[in-house]
Amino acid sequence: AQSVTQPDIHITVSEGASLELRCNYSYGATPYLFWYVQSPGQGLQLLLKYFSGDTLVQGIKGFEAEFKRSQSSFNLRKPSVHWSDAAEYFCAVGARGGGYNKLIFGAGTRLAVHP
Amino acid sequence: EAGVAQSPRYKIIEKRQSVAFWCNPISGHATLYWYQQILGQGPKLLIQFQNNGVVDDSQLPKDRFSAERLKGVDSTLKIQPAKLEDSAVYLCASSSGQGSYNEQFFGPGTRLTVL
Repeated sequence: AQSVTQPDIHITVSEGASLELRCNYSYGATPYLFWYVQSPGQGLQLLLKYFSGDTLVQGIKGFEAEFKRSQSSFNLRKPSVHWSDAAEYFCAVGARGGGYNKLIFGAGTRLAVHP
Repeated sequence: EAGVAQSPRYKIIEKRQSVAFWCNPISGHATLYWYQQILGQGPKLLIQFQNNGVVDDSQLPKDRFSAERLKGVDSTLKIQPAKLEDSAVYLCASSSGQGSYNEQFFGPGTRLTVL
């Protein structure tokens, strides 16, 4: 069965510092991989997604993520964090084909940004 | 383009009472999802519609939860009777297709508190 683990429940960084949020997944093949962001009182917004090809994917708001098959990981990165990046970040996996269309979300990582 | 609309945004009820949530997806999106997001957890899919048919309701507690999508557009999710453990944010999402590779667009959610 699919599962997603986000090992860090809460992360605090200083504005301008680099950021890496970890995501590990469990799936029998290469899944579709997503990162969503949820700001307070708002719905989830897609940051980026990986389906195939180049393992380094670029997203919105200056975020990128790298798919590493050998580590079953899809970590999210940003070189310089802005105060507006404070939010909760969710990694999700989706099954490929076979009519199984469910997205499985991790528990999320809450990011706080110090000025 | 208008996003996914949900109402109400907040609801407080006593246990054993009934409650209903409404969702209007993005125009033209055939697939509609209802998620439950308990505090500290990622969203969990409750039910997925393709047009007005149910694709997946395997995690919907059918003894108390029901959902419908009449005419393949708007949807309502009902809880009757509510339990304390139903306190959560209920998110509605829509996508143009039912494959998990399709981007899901989320509404702002309804925060339910059961006392």
